[in-house]
Amino acid sequence: EVQLVQSGAEVKKPGESLKISCKGFGYSFTNNWIGWVRQMPGKGLEWMGIIYPGDSNARYSPSFQGQVTISADKSINTAYLQWSSLKASDTAMYYCASDVLTEHWGQGTLVTVSS
Amino acid sequence: QLVLTQSPSASASLGASVNLTCTLSSGHSSAAIAWHQQQPEKGPRYLMKLNSDGSHSKGDGIPDRFSGSSSGAERYLTISSLQSEDEADYFCQTWGTGIGVFGGGTKLTVL
Repeated sequence: EVQLVQSGAEVKKPGESLKISCKGFGYSFTNNWIGWVRQMPGKGLEWMGIIYPGDSNARYSPSFQGQVTISADKSINTAYLQWSSLKASDTAMYYCASDVLTEHWGQGTLVTVSS
Repeated sequence: QLVLTQSPSASASLGASVNLTCTLSSGHSSAAIAWHQQQPEKGPRYLMKLNSDGSHSKGDGIPDRFSGSSSGAERYLTISSLQSEDEADYFCQTWGTGIGVFGGGTKLTVL
């Protein structure tokens, strides 16, 4: 059974850095794209970017290019989403999502940024 | 530019059928999409992948009441025999020119 298991909720202050994770189980993590999706409170799904763990080739939505970094460690079947300097507007639920047309979703990581 | 357009809302009565539409932007009418359901206060759930020829493959455990079809740039999700638990947001998703995109979502109300 394919599972994507995300790290727990985070509460951070503006300006702080953060790295959240998504670990894949039950499939070939190295040979499948894995992406990140943002959902701000009360809003729809926004595609942020995607990475191919086999060669760390990452693609970003123009809206998120330069704002976040997507990486992966294929040795531990884990993808990451990181910020170097959080803003209050980064407060949202973040989901990892399998492949370019998603069949499997992580359970979500709630990130709250507040002073 | 790759854009998916969905109506913001739809409604139908308990036991009836409803069609939700996702429209691909010009030049992308052959793209496959995925449909996802998000019930209130829950994460998204994959429903199906839908190709331009109308063929589709559903996720595990998705009831037969959910089906998909295509016509040109339009991709449809049909839900028959509506149940109360079908009240949810429905999102379409596609991939093209190296990036992905979601539609704005349709909020389905079951009356």
